[in-house]
Amino acid sequence: DADVTQTPRNRITKTGKRIMLECSQTKGHDRMYWYRQDPGLGLRLIYYSFDVKDINKGEISDGYSVSRQAQAKFSLSLESAIPNQTALYFCATSDPGSPLHFGNGTRLTVT
Amino acid sequence: GENVEQHPSTLSVQEGDSAVIKCTYSDSASNYFPWYKQELGKGPQLIIDIRSNVGEKKDQRIAVTLNKTAKHFSLHITETQPEDSAVYFCAASLENTGNQFYFGTGTSLTVIP
Repeated sequence: DADVTQTPRNRITKTGKRIMLECSQTKGHDRMYWYRQDPGLGLRLIYYSFDVKDINKGEISDGYSVSRQAQAKFSLSLESAIPNQTALYFCATSDPGSPLHFGNGTRLTVT
Repeated sequence: GENVEQHPSTLSVQEGDSAVIKCTYSDSASNYFPWYKQELGKGPQLIIDIRSNVGEKKDQRIAVTLNKTAKHFSLHITETQPEDSAVYFCAASLENTGNQFYFGTGTSLTVIP
């Protein structure tokens, strides 16, 4: 089983719809992150959380929100999806001083 | 914040040749530099990392070098094989201050058999 699991793997939605991407982990890490990947732009941080009561904005948080429901679960929501949010989204986990461990991504298309 | 630049964006090499990917960073306080490999349909996976108290680190065919004065670090892959074909990302981080990672824009490596 994957240590960091993202659901769904693929999602197509229409402009204006609300959607949620989910992430769960079995690594026991306190820190969880959401990244967005676009061709030529690398990985950009959307939100991160260092424990259940902690939520922090990354460099591109506008249009997104997150919820840390438990140590093992971190969800990303798009309140009103728009086409330029079409991208590959990655969840990652880490412990302090350790590298990131990524899930296999969710490919989101907004039409 | 930190700014990481990565070159080249694409790289093609013949099987058996070496490949070198270079990154520069802007924040001299950054002290941890991981490299990730991303295969098609998968998330990035750590392949090697280096901390600022070390100038070079090797793991079989992969090596990373760090020049703190010039603020650049490089990934070296020797004796390349077709399975090395992937997208590679460098990153910089300042440990113990929130562990935020700043990524380069990626290098698509193709190893031609």
